[in-house]
Amino acid sequence: NAGVTQTPKFRVLKTGQSMTLLCAQDMNHEYMYWYRQDPGMGLRLIHYSVGEGTTAKGEVPDGYNVSRLKKQNFLLGLESAAPSQTSVYFCASSNLETQYFGPGTRLLVL
Amino acid sequence: AQSVSQHNHHVILSEAASLELGCNYSYGGTVNLFWYVQYPGQHLQLLLKYFSGDPLVKGIKGFEAEFIKSKFSFNLRKPSVQWSDTAEYFCALGQGGQNFVFGPGTRLSVLP
Repeated sequence: NAGVTQTPKFRVLKTGQSMTLLCAQDMNHEYMYWYRQDPGMGLRLIHYSVGEGTTAKGEVPDGYNVSRLKKQNFLLGLESAAPSQTSVYFCASSNLETQYFGPGTRLLVL
Repeated sequence: AQSVSQHNHHVILSEAASLELGCNYSYGGTVNLFWYVQYPGQHLQLLLKYFSGDPLVKGIKGFEAEFIKSKFSFNLRKPSVQWSDTAEYFCALGQGGQNFVFGPGTRLSVLP
């Protein structure tokens, strides 16, 4: 039982490049989330999903897209990376009561 | 809209000192409350949670929190901190599903 896993762990991008972050959970949770964590700002919700095939915007969705084609996977895409997207990205899944977090992806956009 | 505030940005304590981190929330309905801990370079881990019942909740590693409904507070306490408690602590409010709101975090530094 791995819980929530994220790939990659670290990535460096140039401005304008695209990439996809993968989140996987093996707890059969319906809800999944993508957050970004920036110093002094806590966690901010980017997008979330309440089930396979559904996605919704969170607090800071601009510049990101998501897909939930399979229940266990939640993908976060950056179509054209910007330096403002330099951050640590955390995925989480939930059983409606408690969130469980992945180890994070550190992204640097130059 | 619901919100969570944490009073202290950075707390510095010596080992064996007592700890209390403040958390206040803004929401009029029934809420679930959480404290998460993030050790340096790691992901968030659940310390404890309150859903209902006894307002004094005990979590892992000797932490506890008290829910005071009249004050909209959920403060985290530990009677005697250790160097290994150095971390960032996040208070969060949940209503199930998509409605999880996190506070800005409190950084705790414990001096040996």
